[in-house]
Amino acid sequence: DAKTTQPTSMDCAEGRAANLPCNHSTISGNEYVYWYRQIHSQGPQYIIHGLKNNETNEMASLIITEDRKSSTLILPHATLRDTAVYYCIVSVIKAAGNKLTFGGGTRVLVKP
Amino acid sequence: DTAVSQTPKYLVTQMGNDKSIKCEQNLGHDTMYWYKQDSKKFLKIMFSYNNKELIINETVPNRFSPKSPDKAHLNLHINSLELGDSAVYFCASSQSSRVRREQFFGPGTRLTVL
Repeated sequence: DAKTTQPTSMDCAEGRAANLPCNHSTISGNEYVYWYRQIHSQGPQYIIHGLKNNETNEMASLIITEDRKSSTLILPHATLRDTAVYYCIVSVIKAAGNKLTFGGGTRVLVKP
Repeated sequence: DTAVSQTPKYLVTQMGNDKSIKCEQNLGHDTMYWYKQDSKKFLKIMFSYNNKELIINETVPNRFSPKSPDKAHLNLHINSLELGDSAVYFCASSQSSRVRREQFFGPGTRLTVL
């Protein structure tokens, strides 16, 4: 079962930042926070992941609270192509075969 | 250019038939996965192979049998198809030596059992 809680849906204005929250209050010390997204009719796409430090890449920023019980994915300048379902996942990084457990995700609609 | 490819994209078949879905990745990854996305859109892992060895086997009916002929391929064979097998099946791959361990997903195969 998924160990994360996310809002079911949210809207965002094109060009504005989108802040997607995720609660993972039962996260273990060796579990990473991963974010994936699924654009309609496509396979999921990796966005970013982190353990305890904030992370940034070309797609997004990930802010993890100090107690690691929640995190926020930030899309700095949302575009219409960012409309998708965003999944927050906690997972241990194993030697091989990371098991990703997807929950319901947040359906993000970017509006013009 | 395609990283993870699946064939076929759509599969419509009758109950009781046997069918296979093929997956190939050209990323040089050593780990491959099968996921199932049901009508409620929940994605669940089914199997994972690392260097052709089965390492994850979730609670999946024995009618589902994955086969990995080499590191670049992971096929899924389904016997005696049932209505409840209707779903979108996604293949994915990852490289165990990469720190991020991110998984790259294929476009999916939509299976409809009539």
